[in-house]
Amino acid sequence: GAVVSQHPSRVICKSGTSVKIECRSLDFQATTMFWYRQFPKQSLMLMATSNEGSKATYEQGVEKDKFLINHASLTLSTLTVTSAHPEDSSFYICSARTGRGSDYGYTFGSGTRLTVV
Amino acid sequence: GDSVTQMEGPVTLSEEAFLTINCTYTATGYPSLFWYVQYPGEGLQLLLKATKADDKGSNKGFEATYRKETTSFHLEKGSVQVSDSAVYFCALRNYGQNFVFGPGTRLSVLP
Repeated sequence: GAVVSQHPSRVICKSGTSVKIECRSLDFQATTMFWYRQFPKQSLMLMATSNEGSKATYEQGVEKDKFLINHASLTLSTLTVTSAHPEDSSFYICSARTGRGSDYGYTFGSGTRLTVV
Repeated sequence: GDSVTQMEGPVTLSEEAFLTINCTYTATGYPSLFWYVQYPGEGLQLLLKATKADDKGSNKGFEATYRKETTSFHLEKGSVQVSDSAVYFCALRNYGQNFVFGPGTRLSVLP
């Protein structure tokens, strides 16, 4: 089945530095990738939707200059947390839509636990 | 807006015990309902789904019935195994819109 590989699984960084999270579709072309964030004991919240070759669409309240999304190819989407601060510590997970037309599903990466110290 | 509420975990059970994880939702329209499972170190995997009222989704011994009258989609399994230990997410999605997830419920099954 469709697999999305997400790296790193865990990262600890210093405040003020930037962190890049990668999601790769291993056996299919992901024209659309979704990025979610989850705070402890809260729901997965959609941050942005990225389409290959175009600018990402951010949900209300998400700073696009802080969370840079690049979807330059059909198999790779990246999320860069710029100038990270402790409040950015969270669980980030990507998801890609698979299939076409009415016969489609969603595949999720394994998530990245970001800790900013 | 749409929302999903799940029982808080962690839930700890002994092997072969009966499992219920409650899920209720608030939504406009007629959403599809889902249960996703996340095993340690892995991504979310679709466990089961139901697309309309009174539908029952089932997979791997798990079941959930779409109850429109109570806006619920409770997950059940008659006899859990240690390998069922994971985080379970209830979610909804209206056609053409994005997923709305619950906060997840961590299940630990002890041998």
